[in-house]
Amino acid sequence: AQSVTQPDIHITVSEGASLELRCNYSYGATPYLFWYVQSPGQGLQLLLKYFSGDTLVQGIKGFEAEFKRSQSSFNLRKPSVHWSDAAEYFCAVGGGGRDDKIIFGKGTRLHILP
Amino acid sequence: DAGITQSPRHKVTETGTPVTLRCHQTENHRYMYWYRQDPGHGLRLIHYSYGVKDTDKGEVSDGYSVSRSKTEDFLLTLESATSSQTSVYFCAITRGANYGYTFGSGTRLTVV
Repeated sequence: AQSVTQPDIHITVSEGASLELRCNYSYGATPYLFWYVQSPGQGLQLLLKYFSGDTLVQGIKGFEAEFKRSQSSFNLRKPSVHWSDAAEYFCAVGGGGRDDKIIFGKGTRLHILP
Repeated sequence: DAGITQSPRHKVTETGTPVTLRCHQTENHRYMYWYRQDPGHGLRLIHYSYGVKDTDKGEVSDGYSVSRSKTEDFLLTLESATSSQTSVYFCAITRGANYGYTFGSGTRLTVV
């Protein structure tokens, strides 16, 4: 069965520091992988996605993620965070089929120190 | 996103009453989904649709029903609202999983 694990519920980093949010997935075939961001009181916005090709994918707002099949991971990175990056981040996995469902992790809340 | 709207944005209702939430899209996407979001649980799939009159249950479907009589509208009904259904409800649409989902702005439902 599909599943997504985000091991960190909360992460705090200083503004200007680098960021890595972890995501591990379980899936029987080559998955589609996504990262979404949710600012307080808002809906979810797609940051980036991977479904084939180059395993390092670039997204919006300066984010990137790397797909590592051997580790079943899809970690999100940013070299220098800004205060506006404070939000909740969701990793998700899906794989087509009749229903094209995507399963979400429980999320990681990112706090930024000034 | 301009292509998907949820209504109402906020609703307070009493235990035992029926409630219907509406998701409307202008993108002509085939797939539509209803999720609920609760602290510590992330997003959990309630029901989904892969076409007009084609719907199926997600992981937390008890107490909910859906209908899709037109491509653009996907309705979620709480048949008899309970306090455990107090949540934020999100609708999502996609033309296919590899595109990712587009989410609505959510409906905050409080059952008192």
